[in-house]
Amino acid sequence: DAEITQSPRHKITETGRQVTLACHQTWNHNNMFWYRQDLGHGLRLIHYSYGVQDTNKGEVSDGYSVSRSNTEDLPLTLESAASSQTSVYFCASSDKGREETQYFGPGTRLLVL
Amino acid sequence: KNQVEQSPQSLIILEGKNCTLQCNYTVSPFSNLRWYKQDTGRGPVSLTIMTFSENTKSNGRYTATLDADTKQSSLHITASQLSDSASYICVVSAVVIKAAGNKLTFGGGTRVLVKP
Repeated sequence: DAEITQSPRHKITETGRQVTLACHQTWNHNNMFWYRQDLGHGLRLIHYSYGVQDTNKGEVSDGYSVSRSNTEDLPLTLESAASSQTSVYFCASSDKGREETQYFGPGTRLLVL
Repeated sequence: KNQVEQSPQSLIILEGKNCTLQCNYTVSPFSNLRWYKQDTGRGPVSLTIMTFSENTKSNGRYTATLDADTKQSSLHITASQLSDSASYICVVSAVVIKAAGNKLTFGGGTRVLVKP
């Protein structure tokens, strides 16, 4: 069955380290998204991609970067991890079109010490 | 600024009872509204999607309503079960001028706890 996976599921890192969170989908969806979810906030968009070689900044993109070299993967990199980036990160994908339901991965819980 | 406000923030109900969650939005131009269910430790899963012309839509024991004039939506859970314990997130899409998709605004969610 087609699915969307994230790895690792849990990560502990230190301030200043570079961290990469993986997202892989097998639906062949054009659109992929990264969100963070924190208590007191709804899901907030970090970066998104509408296809290979396309990347766009979301509302909370500072300190994060993404690259899209193929349809299936959109890795999220924290260039220099900060304690404020402690959060749960969700990757999502959707097919191209108006009625684009997003399918979410299981999430990655990141703790920056 | 596009906003989605949900109420209540949390509620506790007894198994078998009904409940209604509210979503008010100020998203424009409106494209569609979704309700997602998020179980603890999992990603959100879509329950319903409603466009401008739809007033009500059901998915099993979940019924969503939409009043596009007042910009309000509700999610009604009938005969609640323990498995309904989750967060319910209202997501409103605005139409943007880009071929691939819409701009989404997420509500903060309502956390529902169903007790036996």
